[in-house]
Amino acid sequence: AQKITQTQPGMFVQEKEAVTLDCTYDTSDQSYGLFWYKQPSSGEMIFLIYQGSYDEQNATEGRYSLNFQKARKSANLVISASQLGDSAMYFCAMREGYNTDKLIFGTGTRLQVFP
Amino acid sequence: GAGVSQTPSNKVTEKGKYVELRCDPISGHTALYWYRQSLGQGPEFLIYFQGTGAADDSGLPNDRFFAVRPEGSVSTLKIQRTERGDSAVYLCASSSNPSGSGTGELFFGEGSRLTVL
Repeated sequence: AQKITQTQPGMFVQEKEAVTLDCTYDTSDQSYGLFWYKQPSSGEMIFLIYQGSYDEQNATEGRYSLNFQKARKSANLVISASQLGDSAMYFCAMREGYNTDKLIFGTGTRLQVFP
Repeated sequence: GAGVSQTPSNKVTEKGKYVELRCDPISGHTALYWYRQSLGQGPEFLIYFQGTGAADDSGLPNDRFFAVRPEGSVSTLKIQRTERGDSAVYLCASSSNPSGSGTGELFFGEGSRLTVL
């Protein structure tokens, strides 16, 4: 069965520093997609970045990059130059199947950025 | 607004009562998803609509849960005979199409927090 594992319940980082949030996944599908979402205290899930299983290059979106290691089945999120507004819950997710955008989520990591 | 809208934002009810949660997706989005997020957990899939029909309802926990989308836009999640274990945030999301390619980004609402006393 498909599964997402986030082993860090909480992380702290100082403003302007980089931080890596870990994510491993398990699937028997050859075609899949990996996502990271941010959930601030307002509750809304905000899409950050996407990596397709056939993409050879790591995805990047501004200060976010996804360190995709297919053989290890890991998809870690790297946030560079952390800002106070980055404090939130971060969820890794995997698209299950091909003709759907149904996502399976991990349990999340709470990131706190301090001055 | 242009985003996914969910009402009510908060609902407190008593055990055994019936509740309805509404989701108004982004205009033109054909796919609509309901998720449930319990405290300290990630969102769990409940049901997915493509247009008016439920394409996948495998996440509905039991027959007390039902969802409709009669005109392919607004959706209502209905919970009968509520139980304390139903307390959670119910998230709705929409997307422009089931992709399989491309990002397939889901756009989420802020959720409806349900508390069953």
